Amino acid sequence: EAQVTQNPRYLITVTGKKLTVTCSQNMNHEYMSWYRQDPGLGLRQIYYSMNVEVTDKGDVPEGYKVSRKEKRNFPLILESPSPNQTSLYFCASRRPDMNTEAFFGQGTRLTVV
Amino acid sequence: GDSVTQMEGPVTLSEEAFLTINCTYTATGYPSLFWYVQYPGEGLQLLLKATKADDKGSNKGFEATYRKETTSFHLEKGSVQVSDSAVYFCALRTGANSKLTFGKGITLSVRP
Repeated sequence: EAQVTQNPRYLITVTGKKLTVTCSQNMNHEYMSWYRQDPGLGLRQIYYSMNVEVTDKGDVPEGYKVSRKEKRNFPLILESPSPNQTSLYFCASRRPDMNTEAFFGQGTRLTVV
Repeated sequence: GDSVTQMEGPVTLSEEAFLTINCTYTATGYPSLFWYVQYPGEGLQLLLKATKADDKGSNKGFEATYRKETTSFHLEKGSVQVSDSAVYFCALRTGANSKLTFGKGITLSVRP
């Protein structure tokens, strides 16, 4: 089954404690991205990657890092989480074609206290 | 820059009512347009799409027509069901390697 898998689904952490949210896709997609979803703001792109070892900032990259060492994986790293990073996070992947839809993971609900 | 504007929500309807959710956009060039749906506790999934002017996307009884002259992509359904209760996002993309730009989303609740 074609899917994007994120882990964990839920995470509560404390300010400043480094964490990683993993994302893996089994569709051999070149393009992967991370979004955060906040009430009243919709989804905003954090980082994206057009292929292995190629990453770039989205609209709200501050406080986040990513890496793309393998085509299937695109982890999101919060080196020093802060409460304003409490949000719902989605990973997505797609082929590099303008007309194709993106496939989304189930989401990771992160709370930073 | 590119932007998507959705009507303010939330929207509450009775079962079998007619649904319209407005979406207008601003974009350079000729974007592809998408509607995504997010059911409670789940990720986003594509509902329908249209890739050129006057195209109509349809799925699960939902329809939307790409109107270049009014820069709109309104979502409609003739008879909603309780199972349609979800958050609906309008989105666009203007290039093969460009991001999806989303509207703010609108929550639809359907009463039995």
